[in-house]
Amino acid sequence: GQQLNQSPQSMFIQEGEDVSMNCTSSSIFNTWLWYKQEPGEGPVLLIALYKAGELTSNGRLTAQFGITRKDSFLNISASIPSDVGIYFCAGHGSSNTGKLIFGQGTTLQVKP
Amino acid sequence: GAGVSQSPRYKVAKRGQDVALRCDPISGHVSLFWYQQALGQGPEFLTYFQNEAQLDKSGLPSDRFFAERPEGSVSTLKIQRTQQEDSAVYLCASSLKGRSSYNSPLHFGNGTRLTVT
Repeated sequence: GQQLNQSPQSMFIQEGEDVSMNCTSSSIFNTWLWYKQEPGEGPVLLIALYKAGELTSNGRLTAQFGITRKDSFLNISASIPSDVGIYFCAGHGSSNTGKLIFGQGTTLQVKP
Repeated sequence: GAGVSQSPRYKVAKRGQDVALRCDPISGHVSLFWYQQALGQGPEFLTYFQNEAQLDKSGLPSDRFFAERPEGSVSTLKIQRTQQEDSAVYLCASSLKGRSSYNSPLHFGNGTRLTVT
């Protein structure tokens, strides 16, 4: 089936630094979404991308839908301690049921 | 409540026992999804309902897993004869629109953590 490869697997950064993570696939995705999950909670949607080449921002977060429709990146600028969590990329692939396929996640730790 | 509600939050079952996990989606949401999340992994799709119709159950790992949404609102995921490999967090998500609407975001519950001993 379709899979998403997310990197890096984990990051440990200093508060104030910028962060970049990405997601790739061998097949085309129709949408790309980025979620954040904190311990004991479900994933929460951060940014949704619906068109190839689309660049969207949400506060300090910026994400882009790759022009080939096979990749996406998420940038976080000026990180703060509350950015800590696991970030997942997800996408709608070839299925018409609307199900999302998730990457393996990037664990972000921020040192104050 | 305003969000997706799942119960119980934690469930410990002895191997071989049957369990039932409940999901209350956001009122009026057409689509309902179940996902399984193993420790350190991303959520993996199990099954999808549009109203009361189960349109995709391709992710259910075995015939021990069964899901229903008889009135198009509350859903139950049942696992029969639980095995240790069933230990995971089971997440429910709902969205306002049906399957053709990619721009209808999924709202996740906080999950049920199932531990099979």
